[in-house]
Amino acid sequence: QKEVEQNSGPLSVPEGAIASLNCTYSDRGSQSFFWYRQYSGKSPELIMSIYSNGDKEDGRFTAQLNKASQYVSLLIRDSQPSDSATYLCAVPQSSTLGRLYFGRGTQLTVWP
Amino acid sequence: EAQVTQNPRYLITVTGKKLTVTCSQNMNHEYMSWYRQDPGLGLRQIYYSMNVEVTDKGDVPEGYKVSRKEKRNFPLILESPSPNQTSLYFCASSLRRPQGSLSGANVLTFGAGSRLTVL
Repeated sequence: QKEVEQNSGPLSVPEGAIASLNCTYSDRGSQSFFWYRQYSGKSPELIMSIYSNGDKEDGRFTAQLNKASQYVSLLIRDSQPSDSATYLCAVPQSSTLGRLYFGRGTQLTVWP
Repeated sequence: EAQVTQNPRYLITVTGKKLTVTCSQNMNHEYMSWYRQDPGLGLRQIYYSMNVEVTDKGDVPEGYKVSRKEKRNFPLILESPSPNQTSLYFCASSLRRPQGSLSGANVLTFGAGSRLTVL
């Protein structure tokens, strides 16, 4: 089992819809979780970080964390074509400081 | 401007010819890391450094070397490149290690990437 798994894409939604991106992780001790966005040909950039169970909202983005289920998700409300990108889930390994695992990413396309 | 600078951005080389990809950050970050990104495999950690003179292996360290003699620089060295090292490489840094829970301190800033082709 991979350390971090993301739902396989690509994911395609119409403009204005809610896009739901999912990520599961294997390390029960992980304490921090990150969503990065990567546009084609560009480097990843942080969208959200979340450290405690529940929801964290930032504008149109909501991160949801459920440590019991080892599950973290990212919801994008009112999706825009500019949201079209690959979304990467990242989870640090709890037992080895410095190790950080990324999922393979989910490619999202928002069509007008 | 706060940034991570990688060079070269693009490089085509031949098998066995030693090369170095430089990485420099101007944010006084303690933590630095190298990743390679390949289609279908996502970002895989090559090496990381928690501070000056402290480096350790990630998931795919074979064929690579690193050093951290100064806080700002973290070069990636390919002593004898092979075609399976053809990839897109990213350097990244953060104020603290990823495991921290201090909001913002463990968020990575990435360089623009270095696309390497080994023939």
